[in-house]
Amino acid sequence: GQQVMQIPQYQHVQEGEDFTTYCNSSTTLSNIQWYKQRPGGHPVFLIQLVKSGEVKKQKRLTFQFGEAKKNSSLHITATQTTDVGTYFCAGPFGGSYIPTFGRGTSLIVHP
Amino acid sequence: EAGVAQSPRYKIIEKRQSVAFWCNPISGHATLYWYQQILGQGPKLLIQFQNNGVVDDSQLPKDRFSAERLKGVDSTLKIQPAKLEDSAVYLCASSLSPGTGNEQFFGPGTRLTVL
Repeated sequence: GQQVMQIPQYQHVQEGEDFTTYCNSSTTLSNIQWYKQRPGGHPVFLIQLVKSGEVKKQKRLTFQFGEAKKNSSLHITATQTTDVGTYFCAGPFGGSYIPTFGRGTSLIVHP
Repeated sequence: EAGVAQSPRYKIIEKRQSVAFWCNPISGHATLYWYQQILGQGPKLLIQFQNNGVVDDSQLPKDRFSAERLKGVDSTLKIQPAKLEDSAVYLCASSLSPGTGNEQFFGPGTRLTVL
């Protein structure tokens, strides 16, 4: 079956440093979504990517979808303590697809 | 806009007992999902409803899990009998439709502990 792998599993950074998490799928994805889950909270939607090579930005967050639509990345510039949480990629959604979540990357930001 | 409601928030039961979870999605959302999230892992889809019909339940352990969405609004997920490995957070999510471009809104989840 389809697998979605995320690396790293954990990332410790000093506040102000950059952070990147990578998502790799065993199959081509028609779309991919990114979610953030704060400790003790529930996943919150961040963004959806659909097009090959697509890049989207949200303030300090940059999301990228690979040309082959089998990988994606989330990059945070100049991390802040409010960025703490676990970031999940998931897909695909729609039609007869069964969305699969990655294991997530937990970001720990040290002040 | 009210979010996805779930109850109870916490439940502790002994193995072989039964338990039920309730979810009320955002008004007007046709698609409803139940996920199981084991500690340290990503959410795993158990079942997806479109209105009151099942779109996919291929990952639902049907020998012990059941779910229904009467009238295409509220939904309940039941486990009977529970096993130790069912300890997890059960998340309900809803979206306008299952198509692309529709974000999922998650409820707060029900944390189940099976002793």
